[in-house]
Amino acid sequence: AQSVTQLDSQVPVFEEAPVELRCNYSSSVSVYLFWYVQYPNQGLQLLLKYLSGSTLVKGINGFEAEFNKSQTSFHLRKPSVHISDTAEYFCAVRVPGAQKLVFGQGTRLTINP
Amino acid sequence: EPEVTQTPSHQVTQMGQEVILRCVPISNHLYFYWYRQILGQKVEFLVSFYNNEISEKSEIFDDQFSVERPDGSNFTLKIRSTKLEDSAMYFCASSALAGSTDTQYFGPGTRLTVL
Repeated sequence: AQSVTQLDSQVPVFEEAPVELRCNYSSSVSVYLFWYVQYPNQGLQLLLKYLSGSTLVKGINGFEAEFNKSQTSFHLRKPSVHISDTAEYFCAVRVPGAQKLVFGQGTRLTINP
Repeated sequence: EPEVTQTPSHQVTQMGQEVILRCVPISNHLYFYWYRQILGQKVEFLVSFYNNEISEKSEIFDDQFSVERPDGSNFTLKIRSTKLEDSAMYFCASSALAGSTDTQYFGPGTRLTVL
């Protein structure tokens, strides 16, 4: 079975500061990795995904994530955040051939002016 | 931009009652999913559906639950005889393909409160 751990339930940062949201996973098989964002009153929206190839993945809104196989991590980063980045961020994995996404518990990112 | 929609946004029901949560997936998508998130817990997979059949389901998805595509646009989740522990946010999702690399697009959710 797979599991995903997001180490921080809440992350407050100041506007224009860098941010890293941490995600670790556990799986006995290779997985695909995803980050989703949920803005208030909206559905989960895909930020980026890692399937194969380069371990640094760039997504929408200036976010990027790096897959580290040895540490089983997929941390999300942004060099300079904006007020509009305030949202909940979910890390998820999916086993090749399976349909379900397995999610972490989410990290609430709060941007202070 | 096409999006998944869900109705109602909030449903309140009495324990033991049946509820139907409704979803309109993106129009050219063929694969449909339900997930739920109990307050303070992780988003959990319930079921996936393709070609009018359940293709995968979790241990949570027992006989109390059923899914249906009653027409060409709606996808429903029925919960029979609701329990207090069914209170959660229910998310519908759809994808064009079933491949594990394909993106699942999520709706805004229906908050179900069982009293």
